[in-house]
Formats: sequence, structure tokens, C-alpha cells
Amino acid sequence: DQQVKQNSPSLSVQEGRISILNCDYTNSMFDYFLWYKKYPAEGPTFLISISSIKDKNEDGRFTVFLNKSAKHLSLHIVPSQPGDSAVYFCAAKGETSGSRLTFGEGTQLTVNP
Amino acid sequence: KAGVTQTPRYLIKTRGQQVTLSCSPISGHRSVSWYQQTPGQGLQFLFEYFSETQRNKGNFPGRFSGRQFSNSRSEMNVSTLELGDSALYLCASGTADNSPLHFGNGTRLTVT
Repeated sequence: DQQVKQNSPSLSVQEGRISILNCDYTNSMFDYFLWYKKYPAEGPTFLISISSIKDKNEDGRFTVFLNKSAKHLSLHIVPSQPGDSAVYFCAAKGETSGSRLTFGEGTQLTVNP
Repeated sequence: KAGVTQTPRYLIKTRGQQVTLSCSPISGHRSVSWYQQTPGQGLQFLFEYFSETQRNKGNFPGRFSGRQFSNSRSEMNVSTLELGDSALYLCASGTADNSPLHFGNGTRLTVT
């Protein structure tokens, strides 16, 4: 039962344009959502998070949008840079989950110069 | 501030052996979680420790176990290794429940 899904295994964008990565979830008990970036041979690096009481959170070039009714979140990267090329994971947790995160399968983002 | 440190970075073991992986969390972090990453299953939660107590456990067999020490350092152990245990094992540490987890660079375990 895949509770967090990232339906696009890969995404390719031009440098300077917007990258939009999508994530869907099924568990209505999830109330905290995170995005991580991962390079090969390294651990995931935290990017940005959002609580279910908000619908948007911004941090520099990164913005996460949460649509609770659709159980959908997205990560926008503007402008995209070649150094952003990595695998992006969406993760979610519920109030009673402690620190247990449920991850999506990841999306490989490639930003072309 | 030093990040999450995992040792060793790479391990090669034979089927049937056991292995112990180590994790030192970020100073001040009391929660330590372990995850397994494989190409087929993605990132899967193994267990979480908080103040030396296991707080959460994922759907892994009893061959996978862990513990946390009073200084928050954690170890995980896998006994009777199987080929399917070959994976990247990631440790993450955190503070309060709704704060981000910070991951180490993992231990790459290969079982032959």
C-alpha cells in the first residue's frame, strides 16, 4: 500500500525555468510533509517542510504547496539551476508517528544548462 | 555543528553472517531513526529510538534490531544476513516530533 506517491520518475527542465515536482498521498492522518533532495552516495538533505495547517511555505527558490482536499503537494523551484539536478523525495508523517516518515519513490530532476 | 555520522560507509558480508552499523546523531538530537533504501522498495522505515527506547518499528523481520545508548548514539544489527539485505542503510536524527529529520550519508551493505 503506497501511501505516498510520486508519479513522475523523472523530470527535465531548462536552467532558469520553473521545476514542479508533484506528490500525492492517501493517508488522511498525515499532517506534516517534507521534501528532501538526494545525490548519489549521499544521504537525503532536507529542503523544505509544511504543516497541514498551512497551504504554502516558501524558502528562497523553493516553495511547497499543500492541497489537503486533493491530498496533493507540490514543490516549485524557481529559477532552476544545474546544481538542483538530484533525486527529490516527498515524505509525510502523522501526529502519532513520532519521527517515522513515509517516503515517495522519488523523482529524478535534471536541469539542463 | 557536526552532522549525522554513520560508520562504516561500506561493508561486504556473506550470507548468514551478522552485521552492526553505527550512527552518531547531531549533538542535542534525542531521536534516531533507521531507514533502508533499495532500488525496488525505495526508502523504508526500520525503527526509531528516543531516549534509549524504541518508539516505532517498521515492517521488517526480527533479524533487524537496534538500540540507543545514553549519549543518543545508536546501533542497528542485522543477523543471519540474506542477499536481499543488500541496501543503503540510512540513519536520521531529530529533535521535536514536527521538525525535519537530518540524515547521515549511509552505510552501503553488500551481501554476497
